[in-house]
Amino acid sequence: SQTIHQWPATLVQPVGSPLSLECTVEGTSNPNLYWYRQAAGRGLQLLFYSVGIGQISSEVPQNLSASRPQDRQFILSSKKLLLSDSGFYLCAWDVGDPPQETQYFGPGTRLLVL
Amino acid sequence: SQQGEEDPQALSIQEGENATMNCSYKTSINNLQWYRQNSGRGLVHLILIRSNEREKHSGRLRVTLDTSKKSSSLLITASRAADTASYFCATHRWGKLIFGQGTELSVKP
Repeated sequence: SQTIHQWPATLVQPVGSPLSLECTVEGTSNPNLYWYRQAAGRGLQLLFYSVGIGQISSEVPQNLSASRPQDRQFILSSKKLLLSDSGFYLCAWDVGDPPQETQYFGPGTRLLVL
Repeated sequence: SQQGEEDPQALSIQEGENATMNCSYKTSINNLQWYRQNSGRGLVHLILIRSNEREKHSGRLRVTLDTSKKSSSLLITASRAADTASYFCATHRWGKLIFGQGTELSVKP
């Protein structure tokens, strides 16, 4: 069966520090991968998606970047965090081209920038 | 941008009652999905309804879709305390999911 992992689960970082959040998927090949951010009490905003190794599409301009160094690994990064980067970050996957319709979400990483 | 808008933003009911949540969207869609999120956790897919369907059932869940009004509703019958969570609608268009702001449901025992 397929599983999706995210780490760390919680992170507290000072403003201006770098960031690296990791997402890995097991049990499937060539998944489409997604990074979402969820502000407190609000819906999900799609940040990045990737259909293959090294292929990244950005949905909104921001202080963050994403990379996909391996088929089932998706990394969210920042060189210098801002207060506004605080939030709940969710990774998700689906398969297919075009993508299947249902996405499967990881447990999330809660980021607090102080 | 957020396409879906859920109504109400928050809903508090007693165990055993039915809970109805509504979702409106703006553009044409391939399908509409409902997801559930327990506090501090990831989202879990509940049900998908395609643009050519009007109603769908899954256990205690009933979803309707009115494409002429660009709206959908999620009904949870005979609610339980364990149904307490946030519920999001998401429209699927051109390979992407666009989520609404969610309805926070509280079911009191």
